[in-house]
Amino acid sequence: GAGVSQSPRYKVAKRGQDVALRCDPISGHVSLFWYQQALGQGPEFLTYFQNEAQLDKSGLPSDRFFAERPEGSVSTLKIQRTQQEDSAVYLCASRRQSDGELFFGEGSRLTVL
Amino acid sequence: AQRVTQPEKLLSVFKGAPVELKCNYSYSGSPELFWYVQYSRQRLQLLLRHISRESIKGFTADLNKGETSFHLKKPFAQEEDSAMYYCALTPLGNNDMRFGAGTRLTVKP
Repeated sequence: GAGVSQSPRYKVAKRGQDVALRCDPISGHVSLFWYQQALGQGPEFLTYFQNEAQLDKSGLPSDRFFAERPEGSVSTLKIQRTQQEDSAVYLCASRRQSDGELFFGEGSRLTVL
Repeated sequence: AQRVTQPEKLLSVFKGAPVELKCNYSYSGSPELFWYVQYSRQRLQLLLRHISRESIKGFTADLNKGETSFHLKKPFAQEEDSAMYYCALTPLGNNDMRFGAGTRLTVKP
């Protein structure tokens, strides 16, 4: 594909439900990032992958958040037992190795009721 | 830890007027600074980065290490510049890019 693809674009979950958000990066991009963007705020770093290795997960807010990228391509961000404070747009980005530019997906907007 | 501050949440100017979006950062080492832009109904995209020292869409930004600032400037704003602008910082050789809270620029006709 031409860019980073994320699905679903919109997700409404009841408090306590588990959700899974998918990111399909640009083909060949080794590095992949997840960010959380709350309303009115800038993107907040969650986690970073290089190929299938999760090299940094320091931004994950709690152990309910889990990310994986088992084959070094598609990544999934899973949130267990969702809470209202998890409501946000979750952005995925992949990075071009030659100059480090980040390419963002359109985001997955999660609303927890 | 690095931090990026954009003091203005909203900025409104008239078409043809100069515009400056402020960005201040705190980081003790050598950072790489970026401006990202998000136009209405589009995804976040890179506008410019300090190391390339280029002008994109008429915008420039100079890294001032003394004042720890990386303000974005354009001498004559256009209506199509209306968007959300985010300043971002990453330590050299690091992967953790930190974003400011953003400034919404509105250019009025």
